[in-house]
Amino acid sequence: AQTVTQSQPEMSVQEAETVTLSCTYDTSESDYYLFWYKQPPSRQMILVIRQEAYKQQNATENRFSVNFQKAAKSFSLKISDSQLGDAAMYFCAYRRTETSGSRLTFGEGTQLTVNP
Amino acid sequence: EAQVTQNPRYLITVTGKKLTVTCSQNMNHEYMSWYRQDPGLGLRQIYYSMNVEVTDKGDVPEGYKVSRKEKRNFPLILESPSPNQTSLYFCASSLRGRAGNTIYFGEGSWLTVV
Repeated sequence: AQTVTQSQPEMSVQEAETVTLSCTYDTSESDYYLFWYKQPPSRQMILVIRQEAYKQQNATENRFSVNFQKAAKSFSLKISDSQLGDAAMYFCAYRRTETSGSRLTFGEGTQLTVNP
Repeated sequence: EAQVTQNPRYLITVTGKKLTVTCSQNMNHEYMSWYRQDPGLGLRQIYYSMNVEVTDKGDVPEGYKVSRKEKRNFPLILESPSPNQTSLYFCASSLRGRAGNTIYFGEGSWLTVV
């Protein structure tokens, strides 16, 4: 079974600084997807960034980028120029590529605080 | 507008009183699922459905039932709720296969069982 681990329950960063959230996963599959979701106090689930395992290039979305290390099964999220609105719970998630479904396996979450 | 709608959003109920949380999507998605979110545990899948009349257990199915009689609806049923089912619940839907990487979540349903 696939597992996803986020070893940092809480992180904090100063506004305008850079922070990196860690995520490791375990799988025997070679074809899969990895995601970072943001959950603000409203509890809405917002997709931040997505990485396809067969792509070597790390995904980027504006101030958000990932460091995908397939051999090490590591998938960290870097937030540059942190803003107050980035404060939220962040979840790392894994999805096996299959024809039958879209099940996500989530990590425990990292609560990010942004200090002004 | 593409959306997943859950109801109720907030509910306080008593132990043993049957309740249903409804979930409806307007995107003709085959795949629908339910998750519960608990502190320190992230989101865990309860049940999922790959199409009408096709459902299966996720990681934490005990105490829950589901049905999929129509493609758009996937209700979550708690036949006899207990306090350990107090949680935040999410319904999600998507297409299947690689197209299923765009996953739509409902806004969540806060359930408290006293």
